[in-house]
Amino acid sequence: DTEVTQTPKHLVMGMTNKKSLKCEQHMGHRAMYWYKQKAKKPPELMFVYSYEKLSINESVPSRFSPECPNSSLLNLHLHALQPEDSALYLCASSQDRQGYYGYTFGSGTRLTVV
Amino acid sequence: AQSVTQPDIHITVSEGASLELRCNYSYGATPYLFWYVQSPGQGLQLLLKYFSGDTLVQGIKGFEAEFKRSQSSFNLRKPSVHWSDAAEYFCAVGARSGGSNYKLTFGKGTLLTVNP
Repeated sequence: DTEVTQTPKHLVMGMTNKKSLKCEQHMGHRAMYWYKQKAKKPPELMFVYSYEKLSINESVPSRFSPECPNSSLLNLHLHALQPEDSALYLCASSQDRQGYYGYTFGSGTRLTVV
Repeated sequence: AQSVTQPDIHITVSEGASLELRCNYSYGATPYLFWYVQSPGQGLQLLLKYFSGDTLVQGIKGFEAEFKRSQSSFNLRKPSVHWSDAAEYFCAVGARSGGSNYKLTFGKGTLLTVNP
């Protein structure tokens, strides 16, 4: 298995909803990442988990809450989002935190906040 | 802090023509360099990467890139473009970012249009 799987592929949520994005990999990678990508923009790093511990938080608002229950799974919990949070959310993983062997990206969750 | 510049926002080429996408980076040491491709609404696919050694790197789909330290560049090339190559291309640099952390930072991307 050489993939990063993200679910759901599409999500529409209201500003008072609570939802979660899920990311899974079975490549034995020990670093996992959340990126946010707005239309026609590059991906922007949100969080990095290394060996299941949060190692980088790029000053992301607390309405986004990451969780890494085990080495294969990464969640992003969403609460009280704003319309400007609508974007493609990408998960990625790498064999180690340096990314020496490259980063594998999932196909993303397209989030729309209404 | 590391940064990546892709000078060309949009490039149009004819099918069968050669292609070169430019990328310049800024970092105090030798970074890890990557090229990714993204089709509309999709995730990113790794085309090739450079860490050390041979400065000419071969990737998937017939792409290659050359690392030039003196110019801080990592340009992507393909000798003959196919219509299916139309996509957004991102150059990225992986580098240390405080302590033992590493970050992958992307350029703004180059949109490639291929004319029949």
